[in-house]
Amino acid sequence: SYELTQPPSVSVSLGQTASITCSGDKLGDKYACWYQQRPGQSPVVVIYQDTKRPSGIPERFSGSNSGNTATLTISGTQAMDEADYYCQVWDSSTAVFGGGTNLTVL
Amino acid sequence: EVQLVESGGGFVQPGRSLRLSCAASGFTFDDYAMHWVRQAPGKGLEWVSGISWNSGSIGYADSVKGRFTISRDNANNSLYLQMNSLRVEDTALYYCAKDISGGMATTGLDYWGQGSLVTVSS
Repeated sequence: SYELTQPPSVSVSLGQTASITCSGDKLGDKYACWYQQRPGQSPVVVIYQDTKRPSGIPERFSGSNSGNTATLTISGTQAMDEADYYCQVWDSSTAVFGGGTNLTVL
Repeated sequence: EVQLVESGGGFVQPGRSLRLSCAASGFTFDDYAMHWVRQAPGKGLEWVSGISWNSGSIGYADSVKGRFTISRDNANNSLYLQMNSLRVEDTALYYCAKDISGGMATTGLDYWGQGSLVTVSS
């Protein structure tokens, strides 16, 4: 079965740029999306189809996907961005989630 | 406003059954695929099952295949998950989620419910 690998944790200073990676075999051939989940809340999609940002999601969130790695980038990170982030793709008739990355804003 | 409200969770012994429901409102339900995603306590997200807009395509995670059945009632804007032969490892918060598109091959889930907790224990 297909696997997505994310770093368990990433730290970033307030106002700096955070990058969260998601790795998988030939990931760039698939559409990746990213979800933010704050403690005690339901997930929220922040990026879909590699680079698209849903309405209401701040412009500081962006995505890319090439080769074996998809990346979620948060520019000018704010305290409210502290959360768990999950990547997800569709493979062989199933949806696959990465293990999640806990983003800490220092 | 899009709303997804799950119900039907609870405490159940191993081997028993439960049926989850998801009441949808605020969008044209039969235009979109729907999914169930679960999250065990303190763990990450796990896709459980998905169904296309017209029920023509259905998929399951290997961990639930043969035990869980997804269905939808477009006339009543409802999604269901019949869970049989429940195991301790099925304990989780079960989310109902709306797909961005009508096909099951999701490229994003843009609305999620608050979840329904299922606890399987003897």
